[in-house]
Amino acid sequence: EPEVTQTPSHQVTQMGQEVILRCVPISNHLYFYWYRQILGQKVEFLVSFYNNEISEKSEIFDDQFSVERPDGSNFTLKIRSTKLEDSAMYFCASTALDSSGNTIYFGEGSWLTVV
Amino acid sequence: AQSVAQPEDQVNVAEGNPLTVKCTYSVSGNPYLFWYVQYPNRGLQFLLKYITGDNLVKGSYGFEAEFNKSQTSFHLKKPSALVSDSALYFCAVRDFGSRTSGTYKYIFGTGTRLKVLA
Repeated sequence: EPEVTQTPSHQVTQMGQEVILRCVPISNHLYFYWYRQILGQKVEFLVSFYNNEISEKSEIFDDQFSVERPDGSNFTLKIRSTKLEDSAMYFCASTALDSSGNTIYFGEGSWLTVV
Repeated sequence: AQSVAQPEDQVNVAEGNPLTVKCTYSVSGNPYLFWYVQYPNRGLQFLLKYITGDNLVKGSYGFEAEFNKSQTSFHLKKPSALVSDSALYFCAVRDFGSRTSGTYKYIFGTGTRLKVLA
């Protein structure tokens, strides 16, 4: 069964450093998302991406965050200068948004720890 | 904006007993509703969805959910709980995202921790 894959599974970084989280969405999907979950609690929407541009972003997704689809395969989330409060599990997701009902599929997550 | 609410932080049930995890929604128009399960340190796994049609939706691992329009609810159910069902369960609704691109975003409830006791 096709799946969303994410790397790294866990990253520890110093505060102020740049972090890039990588995702390979399901191959025939066209709509991509990043979500964040802090300490196993609520799942928060960060950003949606379609047709090589951001469709929508939340208040969390400030100027420190950016997304990119550099090569038609990977979908990356960059945090330019990490803060302690960026420590969270980051989930990539994708969907085909077709007549199948638009199920969104998630990767296993990248656990980011900022120290 | 669309939203979902999960009124229970935790649900405890004995193994073999039926379980219910509650979800209510608030939407304009017809709702697209989903249930996901999350095991410790894992991603969210899709369980089932309601788009249209039969109000009783069957999904993975023996789970089902009942869409009730009058009560604006979409409760997750299973006739006989297993210890291995212990996990975090999220209800979600598809919300209108960008109207210019026609994309959507998915709004999640706060999650309900299900604990099945042996």
